[in-house]
Amino acid sequence: NAGVTQTPKFQVLKTGQSMTLQCAQDMNHNSMYWYRQDPGMGLRLIYYSASEGTTDKGEVPNGYNVSRLNKREFSLRLESAAPSQTSVYFCASRANRGYVYEQYFGPGTRLTVT
Amino acid sequence: KQEVTQIPAALSVPEGENLVLNCSFTDSAIYNLQWFRQDPGKGLTSLLLIQSSQREQTSGRLNASLDKSSGRSTLYIAASQPGDSATYLCAVRWNRDDKIIFGKGTRLHILP
Repeated sequence: NAGVTQTPKFQVLKTGQSMTLQCAQDMNHNSMYWYRQDPGMGLRLIYYSASEGTTDKGEVPNGYNVSRLNKREFSLRLESAAPSQTSVYFCASRANRGYVYEQYFGPGTRLTVT
Repeated sequence: KQEVTQIPAALSVPEGENLVLNCSFTDSAIYNLQWFRQDPGKGLTSLLLIQSSQREQTSGRLNASLDKSSGRSTLYIAASQPGDSATYLCAVRWNRDDKIIFGKGTRLHILP
């Protein structure tokens, strides 16, 4: 049981390049999330997926797209990277245990856009 | 707008002291509130989760309380240790909404 995994751990992009951040969970969770974390800004929700086949915008969706490929995987795509997207990106999934909904986080992807 | 606020942004206390971290939220119709710990350069580790029907949760030296009517939660850390130094974040989920909103965190430093 690996929990929530993210790849890559680190990435450097040039402005205008594209890339996809991968996230997978093996806990059979329905809900998955993408956050970015910037100094002094806390964690901000980019997109989330309440179930396979559905996605919704969070607080800061501009410049990003997501795909909920199946129940396990939720990817985040930057079509044309900008320096403002330099950040640490966290994927999370949420447990459904009765009425208890607890979030579990991946280790993060540190992205630098030059 | 649903918002989560944590004050102070940073806190330094001597080892051994008891301390309280604060979290406040707009809109009292929450579903649950979760406290996390984050070490520098690392991901988030869940500490405690309080459902809206609960008043508090305890785990070891940690106690989290919830007062929905006033829109506040506190995380109490007893007998603080240098290993408690980290950033503590609270996150709120509101009813009928799958979004979870985070506060900006309190950076805690325990002085040996």
